[in-house]
Amino acid sequence: AQTVTQSQPEMSVQEAETVTLSCTYDTSESDYYLFWYKQPPSRQMILVIRQEAYKQQNATENRFSVNFQKAAKSFSLKISDSQLGDAAMYFCAQACPQTGANNLFFGTGTRLTVIP
Amino acid sequence: DTAVSQTPKYLVTQMGNDKSIKCEQNLGHDTMYWYKQDSKKFLKIMFSYNNKELIINETVPNRFSPKSPDKAHLNLHINSLELGDSAVYFCASSDETWDLTIYFGEGSWLTVV
Repeated sequence: AQTVTQSQPEMSVQEAETVTLSCTYDTSESDYYLFWYKQPPSRQMILVIRQEAYKQQNATENRFSVNFQKAAKSFSLKISDSQLGDAAMYFCAQACPQTGANNLFFGTGTRLTVIP
Repeated sequence: DTAVSQTPKYLVTQMGNDKSIKCEQNLGHDTMYWYKQDSKKFLKIMFSYNNKELIINETVPNRFSPKSPDKAHLNLHINSLELGDSAVYFCASSDETWDLTIYFGEGSWLTVV
């Protein structure tokens, strides 16, 4: 069974600074995808960034980047130049391809506060 | 133009009632899901349908019954609602032929009183 662990229930960062959110996972599969989702107070789940396990290069989306360490089963999210709008719950998730559907396993989330 | 839309967004109802949440996606995806987010913000899959066929059916009470009239719609019907059913229910969809990214609706906040 897959498990996803986020060991930081809460984090805070000064506006314009950089923050890193941690995530580790456990799977016996060789083919899988990793995701970070953002959930603002509106509760909508918004995809932030995605990483395919077979790709060695770390994914980057504007101010968001990941540090994917496959051997260590670690997938951290770095937010650069933090903005007030980045304040939200951040969920790390993992999915393995299955025939017809995919089961997305979520961590317990990290609440990020951005301090003006 | 919302990609995954679900209604209602908010629902307050009494114990014992039956209620439905509707979901529609206009992304052309083959697979749709229902996820539940409990009061501690933990998200867990409930059901998944691929082209109207049930693929994933996690251990949920049989008071919960999904229905997929076509691949663009996946509704969730809940019978005999209990206090513990209070949660946010998310509909989602994905395209298995492209990537594994799952796109979520805005959520339906169900409160049972």
